[in-house]
Amino acid sequence: DAMVIQNPRYQVTQFGKPVTLSCSQTLNHNVMYWYQQKSSQAPKLLFHYYDKDFNNEADTPDNFQSRRPNTSFCFLDIRSPGLGDAAMYLCATSRISGRNTEAFFGQGTRLTVV
Amino acid sequence: SQKIEQNSEALNIQEGKTATLTCNYTNYSPAYLQWYRQDPGRGPVFLLLIRENEKEKRKERLKVTFDTTLKQSLFHITASQPADSATYLCALPPSGGSYIPTFGRGTSLIVHP
Repeated sequence: DAMVIQNPRYQVTQFGKPVTLSCSQTLNHNVMYWYQQKSSQAPKLLFHYYDKDFNNEADTPDNFQSRRPNTSFCFLDIRSPGLGDAAMYLCATSRISGRNTEAFFGQGTRLTVV
Repeated sequence: SQKIEQNSEALNIQEGKTATLTCNYTNYSPAYLQWYRQDPGRGPVFLLLIRENEKEKRKERLKVTFDTTLKQSLFHITASQPADSATYLCALPPSGGSYIPTFGRGTSLIVHP
């Protein structure tokens, strides 16, 4: 039944050690998003893909990269994690239409940087 | 740019009472507004959508109102239960050719038995 799946649920990485978070979807949605959410804050958009078109938010650090090899999969790469990158990372999908753009979220990956 | 405001203070209520959460927005005239529920350590889950031409929308114990003049949406949970305890986020649809919805920070609801 799971429609947006994120792996792993919990990730512990060392300061400065590259880490990759993954997201897959079974909804065949054309848009995939990566959000960063810190405690008691709104989800902050890092980037999104509309099909293969990559869109980076202006304030997303260069330390964050993303790949979408096909419709179903999307990856978030953090090249050199800092302590400030510890957060919940949420992947979401939506099908853009004129009537509704409900977002479907994965369970999230909780990243800890030690 | 469009902004969403949700009360940052947690709402504490007694079981059985009606919980009312507020979402205010500025710099925007959205065609619809969405509400999501987020449990600790999990991703948000879509609950309800209300369109600009709808004053009120209901789903089981949930009721959402949308006042486009006040630029405000109210989210009500009637006969609240401890299982309703969660953070509730409102979201505005994409605007200006963007595909990106805008999320509020959410309001935490705590229902005490």
